[in-house]
Amino acid sequence: AQTVTQSQPEMSVQEAETVTLSCTYDTSESDYYLFWYKQPPSRQMILVIRQEAYKQQNATENRFSVNFQKAAKSFSLKISDSQLGDAAMYFCAYQSGGGADGLTFGKGTHLIIQP
Amino acid sequence: GAGVSQSPRYKVAKRGQDVALRCDPISGHVSLFWYQQALGQGPEFLTYFQNEAQLDKSGLPSDRFFAERPEGSVSTLKIQRTQQEDSAVYLCASSVDRGGVLMNQPQHFGDGTRLSIL
Repeated sequence: AQTVTQSQPEMSVQEAETVTLSCTYDTSESDYYLFWYKQPPSRQMILVIRQEAYKQQNATENRFSVNFQKAAKSFSLKISDSQLGDAAMYFCAYQSGGGADGLTFGKGTHLIIQP
Repeated sequence: GAGVSQSPRYKVAKRGQDVALRCDPISGHVSLFWYQQALGQGPEFLTYFQNEAQLDKSGLPSDRFFAERPEGSVSTLKIQRTQQEDSAVYLCASSVDRGGVLMNQPQHFGDGTRLSIL
């Protein structure tokens, strides 16, 4: 079974600064997908960024980018120019390569943005 | 609608009662997933449908949990004889399924139903 570990229960960053959230995972599969989801107090899970394991290039979406280290099974999220609206719970998630499997989530990191 | 819709948003029930939670996925989405999110935790997979077929129910915690999607669109998660440990947020997600071919499509989540068992 796959596992996802987020070792930072809470992180704090000053507005406009950069913050990195950590995620490691364990799997014996070679084909899989990794995701970062944001969950504000409204509870809706919002997809932030995703990475296909077969792609060596790190995914980027505007201020959000990942550092994907396949050999180390590490998938960190970097948020640049942090904004107040970035405050939320962030979950790292894993999905097997079939594409129609349930996601395996980490326990989440609570991100606080200080004005 | 444009997104995944779940109802009710909040549900309070007494221990031992049966509850039913509804999920209306994005139109045209073939795959539908249910997750359970305990307080302070990440969501945990419960079950997966492709159209009306329940292809994976390995995450259902007990036989008190039952899910259906009879016409391949709206899904209902039913919990019988509720217990306090069933208190959680229940999230539904849907995705386009290209039959396992081509690129994976991400799951789109609803706002969830917060279930409280007294």
